[in-house]
Parts: sequence; C-alpha cells; structure tokens
Amino acid sequence: DGGITQSPKYLFRKEGQNVTLSCEQNLNHDAMYWYRQDPGQGLRLIYYSQIVNDFQKGDIAEGYSVSREKKESFPLTVTSAQKNPTAFYLCASKGLADTGELFFGEGSRLTVL
Amino acid sequence: GQNIDQPTEMTATEGAIVQINCTYQTSGFNGLFWYQQHAGEAPTFLSYNVLDGLEEKGRFSSFLSRSKGYSYLLLKELQMKDSASYLCAVMDSNYQLIWGAGTKLIIKP
Repeated sequence: DGGITQSPKYLFRKEGQNVTLSCEQNLNHDAMYWYRQDPGQGLRLIYYSQIVNDFQKGDIAEGYSVSREKKESFPLTVTSAQKNPTAFYLCASKGLADTGELFFGEGSRLTVL
Repeated sequence: GQNIDQPTEMTATEGAIVQINCTYQTSGFNGLFWYQQHAGEAPTFLSYNVLDGLEEKGRFSSFLSRSKGYSYLLLKELQMKDSASYLCAVMDSNYQLIWGAGTKLIIKP
C-alpha cells in the first residue's frame, strides 16, 4: 500500500545527543515536509523540500538539519543545538499540485531526558 | 502577521450537530483545509475549500467566506469516534500552509 512511514514512533534522548528521525514515502510525491507539534499550538514548519537535493528552511529550522538524497526519503536530524526538542514530529508529503492535500506519517514523539 | 483562530475546545452530544469555526488573516489565500487528528496520531485530510460556499461530504460539511476570512466545519450525527482535534489550515500566497492550534472536540454519550 502507498503511504508515508516515520520511525521510530517513540524516541528518548539524553541532552547533548543528536538524533535522526526517518521519513520514507512511496507515493511518488515531489514535496516533503517536517513539522513540529506542541500542545496548544498549530503545526510549525521546520524544513521542506520540493525536489531531490534541494530543501528550504521553515519557520523554526534552528537546531535541525535535513537531507534529500532520494525522492522517497527526507530524514530529520535534531541536533544538540535545539534547546527544547521534546515534541511530536510529523513528516508529510504532497504531490505536484500546489493546492494538493498533505499526507502525513504517523509521527515520532521525541522526549529529551 | 498571519493568524488562524479557532476555539480551543468544544463539547457536544452523540447524535447531535456541531459547528467548529475558523477565522483567518493571511498574506494571500490559496485555499483552506480541514484535518482531523486523533490523539497521538497523524492528521488526516477532511476537506478543501477555495471558493465561497458549502462543500458537503457525507456527515461532514465545510463552508468558506473569503470576504469575511471565515470558515466552519459542520459535523452531523455525531459519533463517539468523532472525538478528536480538528485543525484548520490556510494556504497563503506562497503556497505555504498556516495552521491553527486546533479545536479539541469532546463527544459525550
């Protein structure tokens, strides 16, 4: 079945460690996105990519990094520079139509101990 | 700045009708989306409005008034499984989505 897969679903990290969240899609979508969701707030865009080997910063990119070496994959690294990384992270993808709907992965919940 | 407002929480009774409002102020407008999100899960697409008027899809309908910067999501014949958060999002002139904080809908028997 076509879809978008995130892993891991739950992740615990010690302060000072980098962690990488995986996002893979087999929907043949060009655009991929990473959002952060905190209680009581709307989704906030971290990074997005509209084509392989190219990506753009979103509203809250500081402390995060991404790569887009393959169309299917858009991993997110949460670095030690991110001051408040505990959150629910959502990956999404979209087809060519600018106004197309986003398809979301199941999310990754990161907790920093 | 860009802003999306929706109520934080609403309560309704099983079998009833509920209307969730969303007002927006954005740089341009290229459509408004409604998503449903159950606790701890990913959002799922419900509706998309780009022209004024009502779009009906089964028990769910979505309305848009661009001149008023206003939309609502109407849920009929409420079921317990409709307990979820409902997210309003507007696509701005750069085709980027601006998200509201979501409305948590609690359904009581």
